[in-house]
Amino acid sequence: KAGVTQTPRYLIKTRGQQVTLSCSPISGHRSVSWYQQTPGQGLQFLFEYFSETQRNKGNFPGRFSGRQFSNSRSEMNVSTLELGDSALYLCASSVPSGGAYEQYFGPGTRLTVT
Amino acid sequence: AQTVTQSQPEMSVQEAETVTLSCTYDTSENNYYLFWYKQPPSRQMILVIRQEAYKQQNATENRFSVNFQKAAKSFSLKISDSQLGDTAMYFCAFYNTDKLIFGTGTRLQVFP
Repeated sequence: KAGVTQTPRYLIKTRGQQVTLSCSPISGHRSVSWYQQTPGQGLQFLFEYFSETQRNKGNFPGRFSGRQFSNSRSEMNVSTLELGDSALYLCASSVPSGGAYEQYFGPGTRLTVT
Repeated sequence: AQTVTQSQPEMSVQEAETVTLSCTYDTSENNYYLFWYKQPPSRQMILVIRQEAYKQQNATENRFSVNFQKAAKSFSLKISDSQLGDTAMYFCAFYNTDKLIFGTGTRLQVFP
């Protein structure tokens, strides 16, 4: 099976702009989660979608939003970009396995805000 | 709230030797899952091993094994016969209600 894919891999934006990142999960996986990775804050959970519904949300401002489509592909959007939004954004798709969802990560999108 | 602590920011080991990475966590839950993830310099996060809290037996995956001490809330990763390809950031993670809570990571360098 193909792994989790994320597009684009690299992105440069300026403050105030908005950005949309895309994630295609592993075939058959219905759950998609998003994480932000920065040197200062480490890996932080953004949100999780299952069957087009947001099931869980991390502690991020409303500028961060997401959605999931019927084919399980997911997008996340960040509006009014700030310098502090520069990070590696990781998407993970998961499947139930023995009571837990094992998460499989994509390569990430490196967002740089200038 | 659950927290995960990795107290070793960096470690190094010689090829073929054994190294142990430490992880402690805090939770009031009884049933949960713990994971170790590896993130090589290429940045793709890879699942290394998982442990169910209700299982007393420590998980093993080839050269990777864990020492799970539930009462002490400790979950260390042992890498045997270290290889150059093991060089990476290693993250301990606690699984809770559909999200992973990560530690700050341990950077492991394997030397020839």
